[in-house]
Amino acid sequence: NAGVTQTPKFQVLKTGQSMTLQCAQDMNHEYMSWYRQDPGMGLRLIHYSVGAGITDQGEVPNGYNVSRSTTEDFPLRLLSAAPSQTSVYFCASSTRGQGSYEQYFGPGTRLTVT
Amino acid sequence: AQSVTQLGSHVSVSEGALVLLRCNYSSSVPPYLFWYVQYPNQGLQLLLKYTTGATLVKGINGFEAEFKKSETSFHLTKPSAHMSDAAEYFCAVSDKGYSTLTFGKGTMLLVSP
Repeated sequence: NAGVTQTPKFQVLKTGQSMTLQCAQDMNHEYMSWYRQDPGMGLRLIHYSVGAGITDQGEVPNGYNVSRSTTEDFPLRLLSAAPSQTSVYFCASSTRGQGSYEQYFGPGTRLTVT
Repeated sequence: AQSVTQLGSHVSVSEGALVLLRCNYSSSVPPYLFWYVQYPNQGLQLLLKYTTGATLVKGINGFEAEFKKSETSFHLTKPSAHMSDAAEYFCAVSDKGYSTLTFGKGTMLLVSP
């Protein structure tokens, strides 16, 4: 299993540009989430999904869109990038089954908006 | 709503000294508690977790944590620090264990020779 994969690893955008951060998992997990990490702020939840076709907002959803058309993929879209979205983005997946009680994190995407 | 407070954004210890990183949580339901470690420019690694049962939880790299419901705490300890323990540590809480996490702001552990 590849686990949770994220692409790209690094990205530089100009203000106003759009892009999609990709996240995929091959563990058939029903739960997927996006977090952003900023210095001194820990990780904060952006959006999450409890299954294909179901998404919900987290703590800091403004400026981001998500959709979940398949169990495997959970892309994060920035429609008009702003410098405040400069951050490291982590995708995670988990499952209710098997009693694992563990989030599996991807390696992260480091985004800089100039 | 859940919340996590990590006391001290930076903790400095000498090699061989006790490591104590503090975490207090707020949760309206029985919590699931986690400690993650992040080495520079790397992703998150799970150190240990409390789900149910034994309140003293042992993790990787010699770390352990004790769940104290009366104190709403889940402090992380290690008897003897190594230089390789220098990293940022995050405490997190979840209401279901498999669902989303609420993180603390992190504590940077500095280890001096």
